[in-house]
Amino acid sequence: AQTVTQSQPEMSVQEAETVTLSCTYDTSENNYYLFWYKQPPSRQMILVIRQEAYKQQNATENRFSVNFQKAAKSFSLKISDSQLGDTAMYFCAFMNTGANSKLTFGKGITLSVRP
Amino acid sequence: DAGVIQSPRHEVTEMGQEVTLRCKPISGHNSLFWYRQTMMRGLELLIYFNNNVPIDDSGMPEDRFSAKMPNASFSTLKIQPSEPRDSAVYFCASTIRDFNTGELFFGEGSRLTVL
Repeated sequence: AQTVTQSQPEMSVQEAETVTLSCTYDTSENNYYLFWYKQPPSRQMILVIRQEAYKQQNATENRFSVNFQKAAKSFSLKISDSQLGDTAMYFCAFMNTGANSKLTFGKGITLSVRP
Repeated sequence: DAGVIQSPRHEVTEMGQEVTLRCKPISGHNSLFWYRQTMMRGLELLIYFNNNVPIDDSGMPEDRFSAKMPNASFSTLKIQPSEPRDSAVYFCASTIRDFNTGELFFGEGSRLTVL
């Protein structure tokens, strides 16, 4: 079974600064997807960024980028130029490929952006 | 386009009562997932369906929980009888399995409080 570990329960960052959220996972599969989801106080789960394991290039989406280290099974999220609206819980998630794939989440990290 | 629609948004009930949570996935999506979120356990996958067929219900905590998907546009999660430890936010999510891009689209969740 796949597991996703987010060891930091919470972090804080000054507005406009850069912050990195850590995530490790465990799997025996070679092909899979990794995700970061954001959950603001509104409770809505929002996809931030996605990485396919077969791609060596790290995914980027505007101010959000990942550092994907496949051999180390590490998938960290970097948020540049942090904004107050980035305050939320962030979940790292893993999905195997195949007809019956499912999404497994880490416990999440609470990020607070200070003005 | 409408997203995943869940109802009710909030429900407060007394121990022993039956609770039914409802979900309407995005039109055209053929996979549906039910998750439960608590502070202690994070986001847990309860059950998921492909083409209205339950694929994996190993996450359903006990026989008091049941889920159905009678057609492609509707699913229910029922708890009977409810207990205080069932208090949580229940999320429904859907995706297009065939594309297997991995992204799940979440509803806004149903917050259940069992007194």
